[in-house]
Amino acid sequence: AQSVTQLGSHVSVSEGALVLLRCNYSSSVPPYLFWYVQYPNQGLQLLLKYTSAATLVKGINGFEAEFKKSETSFHLTKPSAHMSDAAEYFCAVSDLCVGSNYKLTFGKGTLLTVNP
Amino acid sequence: DAGITQSPRHKVTETGTPVTLRCHQTENHRYMYWYRQDPGHGLRLIHYSYGVKDTDKGEVSDGYSVSRSKTEDFLLTLESATSSQTSVYFCAISAGTGGNTIYFGEGSWLTVV
Repeated sequence: AQSVTQLGSHVSVSEGALVLLRCNYSSSVPPYLFWYVQYPNQGLQLLLKYTSAATLVKGINGFEAEFKKSETSFHLTKPSAHMSDAAEYFCAVSDLCVGSNYKLTFGKGTLLTVNP
Repeated sequence: DAGITQSPRHKVTETGTPVTLRCHQTENHRYMYWYRQDPGHGLRLIHYSYGVKDTDKGEVSDGYSVSRSKTEDFLLTLESATSSQTSVYFCAISAGTGGNTIYFGEGSWLTVV
């Protein structure tokens, strides 16, 4: 069974500081990995995804994530936080094969607060 | 805009009453999913569908049933709503192709009193 662990349910940074949101996964097959963002009272929006091409993935809004197989990690980073980045972030894993029906397994989420 | 419409968006219902949430897609995607979101739990899969009349259970399926009679609609039914089913429900769709992305609807807020 696949699982995702997001370290830190709440991360607080100052505007302009580095954002680092941690995600570790467990999967018995090569995984596909995703980061989604959720703004208050809205649905989930895809930030970026890893699908076995480049290990460093660039997404929207200046975010990027690096797939590290040896560490089973897929941490999300952004060099300089903006106030508009305040939201909840979810890491998800899927083995993305027909047999799995492409289901996603989510972490519990990390709430990012950006202080002025 | 991923072409997903959820209805109703907000509903308050009484314990013991049946409730049906509807997910409608305009993308003609094969795969559809229902997730629930609760604080401290992230999103958990309730049921999913891999084609018309083809459905299966997710990790939190007790108390829920689904139906998919046509490609564009996926219905989630709470046969007899309980307070533990107060949650935000998200529908999602996927084409199931390589590099697949799963898109989410805007959510349905359900309160069971």
